[in-house]
Amino acid sequence: GQNIDQPTEMTATEGAIVQINCTYQTSGFNGLFWYQQHAGEAPTFLSYNVLDGLEEKGRFSSFLSRSKGYSYLLLKELQMKDSASYLCAVTDSNYQLIWGAGTKLIIKP
Amino acid sequence: GAVVSQHPSRVICKSGTSVKIECRSLDFQATTMFWYRQFPKQSLMLMATSNEGSKATYEQGVEKDKFLINHASLTLSTLTVTSAHPEDSSFYICSAKGTSGGDYEQYFGPGTRLTVT
Repeated sequence: GQNIDQPTEMTATEGAIVQINCTYQTSGFNGLFWYQQHAGEAPTFLSYNVLDGLEEKGRFSSFLSRSKGYSYLLLKELQMKDSASYLCAVTDSNYQLIWGAGTKLIIKP
Repeated sequence: GAVVSQHPSRVICKSGTSVKIECRSLDFQATTMFWYRQFPKQSLMLMATSNEGSKATYEQGVEKDKFLINHASLTLSTLTVTSAHPEDSSFYICSAKGTSGGDYEQYFGPGTRLTVT
């Protein structure tokens, strides 16, 4: 079956760095997405990786290793507004998005 | 960027009634739209995929006669929850993909909070 694993919840301190991991087993691979979702709101796009390596976009970076079925989202200089759920999603061979359960990130002052 | 709207943002209805939710791509044409449901503290669950001009493809366990999806144009898809029950109360989110071959991203609407009393 298809499976995406990410930690349920993480806690970090304002101003610090946090890494949210995601591992996947899917039938085929056509890209990996990271989305941010604040409570009661729809997801918003953060990043897309289809090739191995690190993609940096401001305070957020996303890394992909296709051979390991592994990705991480790195958040630097954490701000209180970064408190949200972070969803990892993989596009399989049929271009269907398979969603992880999300990681709730709690930022403490 | 691409914008997707949903209407209404919130709706409260009585058990047994039907509710229609609209999803519009405002500044691009969407060949494919997706409907998701999300219960509190859970991840998104894909309900169905709709392509303009054809019947929607429903995920396993989703009743197609209860959740009617119509994708009549390249900018509009509707989800009708028929004979709603309290267990249908949830956050319904649509997303849309563009017509460009290299368009890999799904653009999400703001969601509709449905409460069935």
